[in-house]
Amino acid sequence: QKEVEQDPGPLSVPEGAIVSLNCTYSNSAFQYFMWYRQYSRKGPELLMYTYSSGNKEDGRFTAQVDKSSKYISLFIRDSQPSDSATYLCAMSGNQFYFGTGTSLTVIP
Amino acid sequence: GAVVSQHPSWVICKSGTSVKIECRSLDFQATTMFWYRQFPKQSLMLMATSNEGSKATYEQGVEKDKFLINHASLTLSTLTVTSAHPEDSSFYICSAIIWTGPNTDTQYFGPGTRLTVL
Repeated sequence: QKEVEQDPGPLSVPEGAIVSLNCTYSNSAFQYFMWYRQYSRKGPELLMYTYSSGNKEDGRFTAQVDKSSKYISLFIRDSQPSDSATYLCAMSGNQFYFGTGTSLTVIP
Repeated sequence: GAVVSQHPSWVICKSGTSVKIECRSLDFQATTMFWYRQFPKQSLMLMATSNEGSKATYEQGVEKDKFLINHASLTLSTLTVTSAHPEDSSFYICSAIIWTGPNTDTQYFGPGTRLTVL
């Protein structure tokens, strides 16, 4: 079983839609949870960083962590074409583990 | 905003040679830098954590004698791939982090270096 599972997509939504991106994990020792956005041929950009369980909101982005279910989510409200990118989840305890990324396309 | 650069952006080398990749934080001091590698269609993988003035911390499975990391100043970390082989061909990405608390740090990524070993 992989440490981190992420649906690779691709995911295609119309502009203005709410996007939900998810990851599951197996290691209960993970304490730090991150979401990255990566545009083609660019380095991944850290979007959200959450410690332990709970929600964190930053503008149109909301990250949720449910440690009891070993499940994390990233919600994007009012999605824009500029949100089209690959979204990577990541988490760490003693080591970093990344999901494979979900490709998102927001159609104008 | 903060900028992290990498040099070179693309390098091709012969098998058995060594390649040095530089990672610079251009407008801030970074006490901690991370080195990642990414194979095509695979996830980004953390290789090591580089702390200024001390030895790098390598992730499990990463050969420290093969991937030499030097963080000699607060704005520069280097990764040297020694005796490179074709299987080392990958996209190497660095990042620099500014810690402001356990839940309020900011990480800036470099654009990456694509290494191709022939």
